[in-house]
Amino acid sequence: AQTVTQSQPEMSVQEAETVTLSCTYDTSESNYYLFWYKQPPSRQMILVIRQEAYKQQNATENRFSVNFQKAAKSFSLKISDSQLGDTAMYFCAFEETSGSRLTFGEGTQLTVNP
Amino acid sequence: NAGVTQTPKFQVLKTGQSMTLQCAQDMNHNSMYWYRQDPGMGLRLIYYSASEGTTDKGEVPNGYNVSRLNKREFSLRLESAAPSQTSVYFCASTRLTGVPNGYTFGSGTRLTVV
Repeated sequence: AQTVTQSQPEMSVQEAETVTLSCTYDTSESNYYLFWYKQPPSRQMILVIRQEAYKQQNATENRFSVNFQKAAKSFSLKISDSQLGDTAMYFCAFEETSGSRLTFGEGTQLTVNP
Repeated sequence: NAGVTQTPKFQVLKTGQSMTLQCAQDMNHNSMYWYRQDPGMGLRLIYYSASEGTTDKGEVPNGYNVSRLNKREFSLRLESAAPSQTSVYFCASTRLTGVPNGYTFGSGTRLTVV
């Protein structure tokens, strides 16, 4: 079974600074998909960014980017120019194939301070 | 608005009572899922339905049953609620074919069993 680990239960960052959230996973598969979800206090789950394992190029979405290290099975999320609205719980998630089960990490609570 | 609709948003049950959580999606997705979210444990899969007419157990199925009523609707039933089932429940859906674009989640149901 696949496992996803987020070793940072809580993190904080000053507004406008950069922060990196860590995620590691375990799988024997060579092709899979990785995601970062954001859950603000509203409780809604919002997809932030996704990465296909067969792509070497790291995904980027505006201020959000990932550092995908396939050999190390690491998938970290970098948030640049942090904003107060980035305060949320962030979940790393793994999907083996399209439509298969999505496995989540424990989550990292990020607080952006003014 | 297109998306996943969950009802109710909040519920308090007494131990031993039963209830059904409703979920409907209008995106013509094939796969639907029920997750529970507990502090420090991320989201854990209870049951899923890869396509209409099929259901399968996830990581934590004990104490729950599901029904895939049609392509749009996927309900979760607690036959005899226990305090250990106090949690936030999320329904999600995704298309089965093509490159995964992440799951679409409902807004969640906060269930308290006393």
